[in-house]
Amino acid sequence: AQSVTQLGSHVSVSEGALVLLRCNYSSSVPPYLFWYVQYPNQGLQLLLKYTTGATLVKGINGFEAEFKKSETSFHLTKPSAHMSDAAEYFCAVTEGYNFNKFYFGSGTKLNVKP
Amino acid sequence: GAVVSQHPSWVICKSGTSVKIECRSLDFQATTMFWYRQFPKQSLMLMATSNEGSKATYEQGVEKDKFLINHASLTLSTLTVTSAHPEDSSFYICSANGQSNTEAFFGQGTRLTVV
Repeated sequence: AQSVTQLGSHVSVSEGALVLLRCNYSSSVPPYLFWYVQYPNQGLQLLLKYTTGATLVKGINGFEAEFKKSETSFHLTKPSAHMSDAAEYFCAVTEGYNFNKFYFGSGTKLNVKP
Repeated sequence: GAVVSQHPSWVICKSGTSVKIECRSLDFQATTMFWYRQFPKQSLMLMATSNEGSKATYEQGVEKDKFLINHASLTLSTLTVTSAHPEDSSFYICSANGQSNTEAFFGQGTRLTVV
């Protein structure tokens, strides 16, 4: 079975500061891992994904995430936060090749202070 | 990339009425689409898998008679919330896998408010 845990429902950082959003997963098969961003009253936008290969994945808007199998983690980072990064972020996992079902974490709302 | 479009973006309806939400794949065919629900301050939960030309598969705890899903063509799936109640108020999002089945594309979502 798959599950995702996101530590911290709210994270607040200052503009220009490092962004770190934590995600741990549980999977009985090799996972595919995703980070999505959701702006208010909008759908989900894919930030990045890990399927196979390089464990450090770079996404849009300067975000990146590293798959650490030993730690079952897929934390999202960005070196310098912008005001426009304020949104809700969801980590998700699927069962390897099976894109048929996403298991989402509870989400982390990122607040960026000027 | 592929585009999935949902309509309407938001809808307000009275208790007891039915509401239909459409999910379209605009530039690709999707034999399978998925419907998720997001309650306020909660994450998205898969409700059902919509299969073109056959019955939908519902997740445990989702009432199939209340949430009717029709996937009549390769580009359109509809979710009808029947006899809506205020507790059905939620954000509903659909998704479809691209033709290469290496990525899922999500619609913009539909905010349903039942009054």
